Amino acid sequence: GQSLEQPSEVTAVEGAIVQINCTYQTSGFYGLSWYQQHDGGAPTFLSYNALDGLEETGRFSSFLSRSDSYGYLLLQELQMKDSASYFCAVDNFNKFYFGSGTKLNVKP
Amino acid sequence: SQTIHQWPATLVQPVGSPLSLECTVEGTSNPNLYWYRQAAGRGLQLLFYSVGIGQISSEVPQNLSASRPQDRQFILSSKKLLLSDSGFYLCAWITYGTDTEAFFGQGTRLTVV
Repeated sequence: GQSLEQPSEVTAVEGAIVQINCTYQTSGFYGLSWYQQHDGGAPTFLSYNALDGLEETGRFSSFLSRSDSYGYLLLQELQMKDSASYFCAVDNFNKFYFGSGTKLNVKP
Repeated sequence: SQTIHQWPATLVQPVGSPLSLECTVEGTSNPNLYWYRQAAGRGLQLLFYSVGIGQISSEVPQNLSASRPQDRQFILSSKKLLLSDSGFYLCAWITYGTDTEAFFGQGTRLTVV
């Protein structure tokens, strides 16, 4: 089986930096992925890490440590539009398993 | 370009009624297709996945079934809905390779009354 743990809610101010952590246990592992979901909408892809290290895409970065079964999503220069839920997901050989999500509240 | 269509967007059904949700993909062949369910304020629960026509794997035994009658069509069904079947149902297409990514349909918000 698999389990993923993320904080349920995080609050930060506009312009700040926030890190959302994800720890996982899984029977098989290809990579760790991150998705953003606004209220009422479908999840959208942010990043995928197959190898250890940090990957940067604009204001968002994602990190993976396979030995620690740990990853995080780093959001910089927060904007109000970043208020959403963020999900980590493990890629387990043709199947994606999602965490319960972290609700990010960005305040002015 | 590659797109994924899912309908209907919302659905209100009485307990005991049947269900059929359809998902189709354009712009690719032999896609890996998935059905997820999301309860309010929760994560996505993997229900079914399919790697080809007629090939269905179930993750959680429950009151639902899935079928893949055509390469780019994936259907979620139930013969008799339960109150606990209410939720946000999402069809997804996952591409694997240098850019492994899941593309989601718009979702179907199902309320069983």
